Amino acid sequence: SQELEQSPQSLIVQEGKNLTINCTSSKTLYGLYWYKQKYGEGLIFLMMLQKGGEEKSHEKITAKLDEKKQQSSLHITASQPSHAGIYLCGADPGTASKLTFGTGTRLQVTL
Amino acid sequence: NAGVTQTPKFQVLKTGQSMTLQCAQDMNHEYMSWYRQDPGMGLRLIHYSVGAGITDQGEVPNGYNVSRSTTEDFPLRLLSAAPSQTSVYFCASSYVQGNEQYFGPGTRLTVT
Repeated sequence: SQELEQSPQSLIVQEGKNLTINCTSSKTLYGLYWYKQKYGEGLIFLMMLQKGGEEKSHEKITAKLDEKKQQSSLHITASQPSHAGIYLCGADPGTASKLTFGTGTRLQVTL
Repeated sequence: NAGVTQTPKFQVLKTGQSMTLQCAQDMNHEYMSWYRQDPGMGLRLIHYSVGAGITDQGEVPNGYNVSRSTTEDFPLRLLSAAPSQTSVYFCASSYVQGNEQYFGPGTRLTVT
């Protein structure tokens, strides 16, 4: 089965700083999803990457999928308190109903 | 659209009791899934369905049953609750393969 490892497990950054979260897969990724979870709530879809080398941005968040399609990074520029939460990457093994998730990265943004 | 709804939001059960976690979506999505989230383990797939009348097991199906009689509903049944089933349960749906999944708000279950 496909395993996803996220790093770091937790992160504390000062407001305004940039940060990067990594997601590494044990197998080739057919699709890589990034979700954000606020504490005690459900998951909110951020971005989906499918092609090697693909890069997508939304507001201050940019996600990339490397050429070999086994690693993705999520970069947040000029972090804000609203960015705090748990970021999870999910891998698509070929069917959208069977996503495998990483264990998540807990982000805190201090003032 | 209400999106994906889950009931109840919180539940406490005693060991051996049974219950059903409800999940409904109003987006006409074919794909629906149940996940459980435990500290340090991420989300793990319990059961999933690719359409009404079709279900299959995920990574951790033991102790859970599902059925999909309509496109809208995908209930998860705990047959005989055990403390190991204490977790947060999420239901998700998506339109087609390769599309994003929409998640419900979760059900926090405690089994004593």
